[in-house]
Amino acid sequence: QVQLQESGPGLVKPSQTLSLTCTVSGGSVSNNSYFWSWVRQPAGKGLEWIGRIYTTGSTNYNPSLKSRVTISVDTSKNQFSLKLSSVTAADTAVYYCAGGWTYFNSWGQGTLVTVSS
Amino acid sequence: DIQMTQSPSSLSASVGDRVTITCRASQSITSYLNWYQQKAGKAPKLLIYDASKLQSGVPSRFSGSESGTDFTLTISSLQPEDFATYYCQHSYNIPWTFGQGTKVEIK
Repeated sequence: QVQLQESGPGLVKPSQTLSLTCTVSGGSVSNNSYFWSWVRQPAGKGLEWIGRIYTTGSTNYNPSLKSRVTISVDTSKNQFSLKLSSVTAADTAVYYCAGGWTYFNSWGQGTLVTVSS
Repeated sequence: DIQMTQSPSSLSASVGDRVTITCRASQSITSYLNWYQQKAGKAPKLLIYDASKLQSGVPSRFSGSESGTDFTLTISSLQPEDFATYYCQHSYNIPWTFGQGTKVEIK
């Protein structure tokens, strides 16, 4: 089972772009048995799937965020990344990267991103 | 989007109790239903996938079943380490969505 680790700024200003990276270890981001996803969780609330990427670079996004989200993969660094543009306070949450096929069997520990000026 | 409705939203139970949590999908999702356990401050952990398959390393007191668009997570004998929040999640189509969660508390 692979290990995942999120990294990126913990504080982002409103209207700016949130950028996070997930580093994959113990396995390859090129594994064709995995989708690589981002999931977020506002404090005290439930889980929201943001989107996913396959090793080929093919992506799917949650329509609720699609206009603001970009997920990319860097096979040379064994990483995948999330960019969320035009953020507001409503985007404040713990962001998780996760891997799996039709289920998430690997998760990062999560990283709190606060949107505030 | 497919809506996943969990019930109850919270429950109180004692060690040794049998606990049942239900998740209802707003349309058919065949068996594309997964269950996760989340403890405070931690990432979710996969318990059950494809409605009834036990993830490797998960105790056998956890089980999943399905009946049409209704899915059930059962804990046969609640243990102290099982007090947590449980989420269902479908992967039938995009977007994947989660239930709102069921918090299992100590009675």
